Amino acid sequence: GAVVSQHPSWVICKSGTSVKIECRSLDFQATTMFWYRQFPKQSLMLMATSNEGSKATYEQGVEKDKFLINHASLTLSTLTVTSAHPEDSSFYICSAHSGTDTQYFGPGTRLTVL
Amino acid sequence: GQQVMQIPQYQHVQEGEDFTTYCNSSTTLSNIQWYKQRPGGHPVFLIQLVKSGEVKKQKRLTFQFGEAKKNSSLHITATQTTDVGTYFCAGPFSGGSNYKLTFGKGTLLTVNP
Repeated sequence: GAVVSQHPSWVICKSGTSVKIECRSLDFQATTMFWYRQFPKQSLMLMATSNEGSKATYEQGVEKDKFLINHASLTLSTLTVTSAHPEDSSFYICSAHSGTDTQYFGPGTRLTVL
Repeated sequence: GQQVMQIPQYQHVQEGEDFTTYCNSSTTLSNIQWYKQRPGGHPVFLIQLVKSGEVKKQKRLTFQFGEAKKNSSLHITATQTTDVGTYFCAGPFSGGSNYKLTFGKGTLLTVNP
């Protein structure tokens, strides 16, 4: 099946710093990638849709200036959490759409902001 | 807006017992997908159901899609400890062109050996 990687798998940072998370589709081209956030024992909440070559579409309540998304190629999307604060600590998961109905999820990035 | 509800939220069973989780959408779905997330892991795609009344089996797992395409169920026969995890159903946003998914809150299954 299709493989999606994420880097880093976990990161600890100080409050006020920025963190970049990469999402790569390894064996297929993904025109669309999705970024989700999952708090402990909760479901996945869609943050934004990342489209190659165009601006990301953010869900209601998600600050576009805080969560910067760049989809520079058909295999790479990045999420940058700017000026991170402890409340941004979460599990961030990307998924890539392969052109079929199925989304393939990356392994996730666990962010802890001190 | 579109909602996908899932029950129960938690289910604890003895190994060997059966398990079922139910998913209900507020709108008719073009398809429904099921994912499993192990503790500490990420969601892994299990299956997609497309047709009204469709039933699919994967070994001990049986997936059903309702006739009205608004509800679905996942049934596990004779659970094993390897079945532990959270099972999510997900349906595409109504009219969504980018294939965004709405996830249910999930059912956490724990199995007592």
